[in-house]
Amino acid sequence: ETGVTQSPTHLIKTRGQQVTLRCSSQSGHNTVSWYQQALGQGPQFIFQYYREEENGRGNFPPRFSGLQFPNYSSELNVNALELDDSALYLCASSSGSSEKETQYFGPGTRLLVL
Amino acid sequence: AQKITQTQPGMFVQEKEAVTLDCTYDTSDQSYGLFWYKQPSSGEMIFLIYQGSYDEQNATEGRYSLNFQKARKSANLVISASQLGDSAMYFCAMREDFYGNNRLAFGKGNQVVVIP
Repeated sequence: ETGVTQSPTHLIKTRGQQVTLRCSSQSGHNTVSWYQQALGQGPQFIFQYYREEENGRGNFPPRFSGLQFPNYSSELNVNALELDDSALYLCASSSGSSEKETQYFGPGTRLLVL
Repeated sequence: AQKITQTQPGMFVQEKEAVTLDCTYDTSDQSYGLFWYKQPSSGEMIFLIYQGSYDEQNATEGRYSLNFQKARKSANLVISASQLGDSAMYFCAMREDFYGNNRLAFGKGNQVVVIP
């Protein structure tokens, strides 16, 4: 196990609602990245937080937002949910934001939007 | 443009045999990193092996090895002595220096089923 935890494990929402997903990083890690994995696809990078600041963002609309806390845990917030937001959301932690750092993933949160 | 290509269909492998999973990538960076992750049905992405673009030796980690051919832009994963627990999706991913952070771009994955 990586020591990265995510909550909740599963979630069902309806279109237009808002959702918050949580991630606790591995001890000693100060960087958290979030990915969206649609069914049958590879994960897609949403954004990364390094020492509480956003440090890069993928091709996702502003209704996807995040936070990182002083203990380096993180939240992913999605507003105005759409059906296509149904996916596995993975967070990954690493000990820095440099290119040499390996990312370790949590078990994911499965979100279903009806 | 797709940066990581994994095009093999699902694969059935006999237990104890070796299997090679293909991955080709596209980048104009000179410095980049290549990763392989395993994703069982539970969903967690498990890190397997890493190859840096400047590494002269092919990476190895236990039963996993990476056949890195830089000129061909390929980074194939070899799993030796397959075990039933190796049944999973396998993802190749690349990290480029361009973005100034360690975001990963993933391929679509290879499905492996190990049969006794």
